[in-house]
Amino acid sequence: GAGVSQSPSNKVTEKGKDVELRCDPISGHTALYWYRQSLGQGLEFLIYFQGNSAPDKSGLPSDRFSAERTGGSVSTLTIQRTQQEDSAVYLCASSDGTGKFYEQYFGPGTRLTVT
Amino acid sequence: GQNIDQPTEMTATEGAIVQINCTYQTSGFNGLFWYQQHAGEAPTFLSYNVLDGLEEKGRFSSFLSRSKGYSYLLLKELQMKDSASYLCAVMGGGSYIPTFGRGTSLIVHP
Repeated sequence: GAGVSQSPSNKVTEKGKDVELRCDPISGHTALYWYRQSLGQGLEFLIYFQGNSAPDKSGLPSDRFSAERTGGSVSTLTIQRTQQEDSAVYLCASSDGTGKFYEQYFGPGTRLTVT
Repeated sequence: GQNIDQPTEMTATEGAIVQINCTYQTSGFNGLFWYQQHAGEAPTFLSYNVLDGLEEKGRFSSFLSRSKGYSYLLLKELQMKDSASYLCAVMGGGSYIPTFGRGTSLIVHP
């Protein structure tokens, strides 16, 4: 079946602009995570959605970052007034959420470059 | 929060065995994971340990000691395609949010 998809694959934007990154999780997966990965760094947790529960936003680095998950499926990560330090690969992952919650399936990522 | 430590880089020879260590400090414990990430690609799941001991899956095995806050990933019969970054991640007690280490870059040479 289809895996996790993300769009766009690459995004170059000017400092101060807003960007939206999209994630389509695996059908039926109730848990969805957003991470970012900078060069030479580990995966940094951003936000976690589980079913209809309120999302865990504890990893969002500032109030310029927000995310939504509509209908328990597609998720959008929005970064307002982008800064150069926001440049990174943004990865989305989904998991079963109940059984094999530990087995996360990652999308290919969106490489964001802020100039 | 969690603190995870793993070596930055390791090299090994094709056909050999390599052990990648991971130490962690966490409040509570809900499991430890290993992921493989090839350059420019997304991480893929390798293993999950929640109880002490060794989990074997083909050429890869993962070990956990909760009392020591220690895990290792063992790769046998190394192949060139095993050159990748190996990420150790831990879930603290009551959490489904993993904290990832910075990863160990493994270089396999002929």
